[in-house]
Amino acid sequence: QKEVEQNSGPLSVPEGAIASLNCTYSDRVSQSFFWYRQYSGKSPELIMSIYSNGDKEDGRFTAQLNKASQYVSLLIRDSQPSDSATYLCAVNRFGNEKLTFGTGTRLTIIP
Amino acid sequence: GAVVSQHPSWVICKSGTSVKIECRSLDFQATTMFWYRQFPKQSLMLMATSNEGSKATYEQGVEKDKFLINHASLTLSTLTVTSAHPEDSSFYICSASTGGQQPQHFGDGTRLSIL
Repeated sequence: QKEVEQNSGPLSVPEGAIASLNCTYSDRVSQSFFWYRQYSGKSPELIMSIYSNGDKEDGRFTAQLNKASQYVSLLIRDSQPSDSATYLCAVNRFGNEKLTFGTGTRLTIIP
Repeated sequence: GAVVSQHPSWVICKSGTSVKIECRSLDFQATTMFWYRQFPKQSLMLMATSNEGSKATYEQGVEKDKFLINHASLTLSTLTVTSAHPEDSSFYICSASTGGQQPQHFGDGTRLSIL
């Protein structure tokens, strides 16, 4: 079992709709959870960080964390073509600064 | 905030050359910096973790004598690829963090091509 799992996609969503990206992790002592966006040929860009159970909203983005189910998700409302990218889920354990990345979900927003 | 600058963006050089890549945190002090490598259509691969004033910790399979890392200050880390060969051609990306459970912020990356 991979430490951090994501559906590789591609995930196609119509413009204006909600894109839902999912991530599961295996290590129960994971403490911090991050979503990064990576455009093709570019470096990752931090979108959201979440540390406690529940929802965290920032503009069109909402991160959801459920530690009991070892599940973290990212919702993108009112999807735009500029949201088309690969989204990376990353987690780290308490006391360990290294991030464990999922393989990423490729999202395409269809105009 | 949390801007990380990486330089140069592109390097093309001959086989056998040594190449130095700089990573700077511009608006925060980075207690920890990380170096990654990414091949086309593949995931990020962590090469090493460096803390200011300490020796870098390399991941398994990464040659520390080939990939020299120096973290001389809280805002600057360098990666030197020594005697580079075509198989070292890749996208090298640094990241910086204030430590603990804080997120990593990535530089724009350096695309290295060895002829």
